[in-house]
Amino acid sequence: EVQLLESGGSLVQPGGSLRLSCAASGFPFDNYALSWVRQAPGKGLEWVSHISDSGDETYYADSVEGRFTVSRDNSKNTVFLQMNTLRVEDTAIYYCAKEVQQVGLFDYWGQGILVTVSS
Amino acid sequence: EIVLTQSPATLSLSPGERATLSCRASQSVSSYLAWYQQKPGQAPRLLIYDASVRAAGVPARFRGSGSGTDFTLTISSLEPEDFAVYYCQQRSTWPPFTFGQGTKLETK
Repeated sequence: EVQLLESGGSLVQPGGSLRLSCAASGFPFDNYALSWVRQAPGKGLEWVSHISDSGDETYYADSVEGRFTVSRDNSKNTVFLQMNTLRVEDTAIYYCAKEVQQVGLFDYWGQGILVTVSS
Repeated sequence: EIVLTQSPATLSLSPGERATLSCRASQSVSSYLAWYQQKPGQAPRLLIYDASVRAAGVPARFRGSGSGTDFTLTISSLEPEDFAVYYCQQRSTWPPFTFGQGTKLETK
């Protein structure tokens, strides 16, 4: 059974940093790309970042480019999202989503983790 | 960036009725369009990909159609568990992958 479990969310002040983790199981982790997708309270879905299966390729939404960094440790079946210089508008539930072989198609999602940026 | 516009924003129907949800892209996405269902407090669930292919385990009452810029998700006869928010998403031109703003399907 495929499982994705996010952790690391919390309340942080504007300008602060946070590192999210997503622990995966139930599939050959190093064969699949993953993305982070977020959802602000009461709003729609926004793609944040993509990392390839090897970790060699990463992409970001303009809204987080230069502030967020995605990485993965294939030996630990875990993907990370380092979030720096956080803004109030980064407040959201952050989902880790597994991509199928066709890039950008999300077949499994974690339960999500809440990040709140507030003073 | 490709913008996806969903309509209507809210659709009020009764169980047993037919639901028709629309998604329009600002430029062609070929058939690289997916639909997701999200219920309150849950993560999104993949329903349809490549415009018309049902994901594993998705009931046959869900049907996707369209290509290019205009797409439709049809639910032939609504079940109580179908009332949720539906999002379309494109992966034709990226980054970024983009989502529509969602259609809320509510009970009339």
